[in-house]
Amino acid sequence: KAGVTQTPRYLIKTRGQQVTLSCSPISGHRSVSWYQQTPGQGLQFLFEYFSETQRNKGNFPGRFSGRQFSNSRSEMNVSTLELGDSALYLCASSNNPTNEKLFFGSGTQLSVL
Amino acid sequence: ELKVEQNPLFLSMQEGKNYTIYCNYSTTSDRLYWYRQDPGKSLESLFVLLSNGAVKQEGRLMASLDTKARLSTLHITAAVHDLSATYFCAVDWVQGAQKLVFGQGTRLTINP
Repeated sequence: KAGVTQTPRYLIKTRGQQVTLSCSPISGHRSVSWYQQTPGQGLQFLFEYFSETQRNKGNFPGRFSGRQFSNSRSEMNVSTLELGDSALYLCASSNNPTNEKLFFGSGTQLSVL
Repeated sequence: ELKVEQNPLFLSMQEGKNYTIYCNYSTTSDRLYWYRQDPGKSLESLFVLLSNGAVKQEGRLMASLDTKARLSTLHITAAVHDLSATYFCAVDWVQGAQKLVFGQGTRLTINP
């Protein structure tokens, strides 16, 4: 059974650009959440989606947005990139929101120059 | 606001020794998670603790939860080099949702 797949693995952008990251959950998993990991702030929750609906959102500015498709795949978008957006973005999935175990993808390492 | 604090943040130990990582959280929560992260890698789930007094063990790692004290511990027995990694605890912020608040992480280095 394939794990959580995130693409791309690495990304380099410049300030002001926008970026879209993709996450394919484990087959059959309907719940997807996103986290940002930085050396300074650690792991922080971004969003959670279940059945194409955003259920929870973290304390991030409106430049950060996401969506989930009918096949449970999810994307997150960051517009008007800032240097501080450089981070590892991790996606996690489970087969329902109350499931005990989250499975994390390998992440997308975003560098903003 | 839910806060999760781990200590120590850095731990260097010798193979064969025992040690404990502590995780304190500030408000009531139903679940506590422990994850492992190797450098440049993703998070690997170690334990999910669901109730007061819960204890789970896997190999040389044992995790416990005291919800009254809002404290979880991750105990390492007879450490081996392969356990070198960063360990995170995390707590559910919203009941029944995947909205986790993570601790700062404990970077564990085990020396031969």
